[in-house]
Amino acid sequence: AQSVTQLDSQVPVFEEAPVELRCNYSSSVSVYLFWYVQYPNQGLQLLLKYLSGSTLVKGINGFEAEFNKSQTSFHLRKPSVHISDTAEYFCAVSKETSGSRLTFGEGTQLTVNP
Amino acid sequence: DGGITQSPKYLFRKEGQNVTLSCEQNLNHDAMYWYRQDPGQGLRLIYYSQIVNDFQKGDIAEGYSVSREKKESFPLTVTSAQKNPTAFYLCASSRTSGTSYEQYFGPGTRLTVT
Repeated sequence: AQSVTQLDSQVPVFEEAPVELRCNYSSSVSVYLFWYVQYPNQGLQLLLKYLSGSTLVKGINGFEAEFNKSQTSFHLRKPSVHISDTAEYFCAVSKETSGSRLTFGEGTQLTVNP
Repeated sequence: DGGITQSPKYLFRKEGQNVTLSCEQNLNHDAMYWYRQDPGQGLRLIYYSQIVNDFQKGDIAEGYSVSREKKESFPLTVTSAQKNPTAFYLCASSRTSGTSYEQYFGPGTRLTVT
């Protein structure tokens, strides 16, 4: 079975600073990787996904992530954050062979301060 | 607009009562999912269904039941056997074929049982 570890439960940053949210996964088979964002009392919205191809994936709202197979990581980055980026971020993985069932990390609360 | 609707947004029940949460999608997705979200625990899969009239238990199915009589609908019943039902419940759907398996989420239902 696969698992996902988000290394930081909370990340406070100042506005316009860069940020990295870390995600590591474990799986014995090839996987698909996803980052979702959740604003308070709302559902999850897909930020970006890695299925195959280029290991640098660009998503919405200026976010990007890099798939590193040797380190089994999929860290999320943004060069300059805004107050509106304050939210909870979830990393998720699915096995290529099982299609759509996802395993989620426990989430990272990003708080952007003025 | 295509999407997933969950109703109601907030639900209050007395202990010992069964309660059914609604989830409807018009994305023509085959697969649907129910998750439970508690603070600091990420999303935990309750049940999922990849085709009409078939569903499988997730990681925390005890005290819950589902049905999938129509492709568009996947209601979740929280029974009185669920020891700690107060939580935020999220419904999602996805394709089961092709190359893109991301899940699309509804806005959630916050259930409070007293």
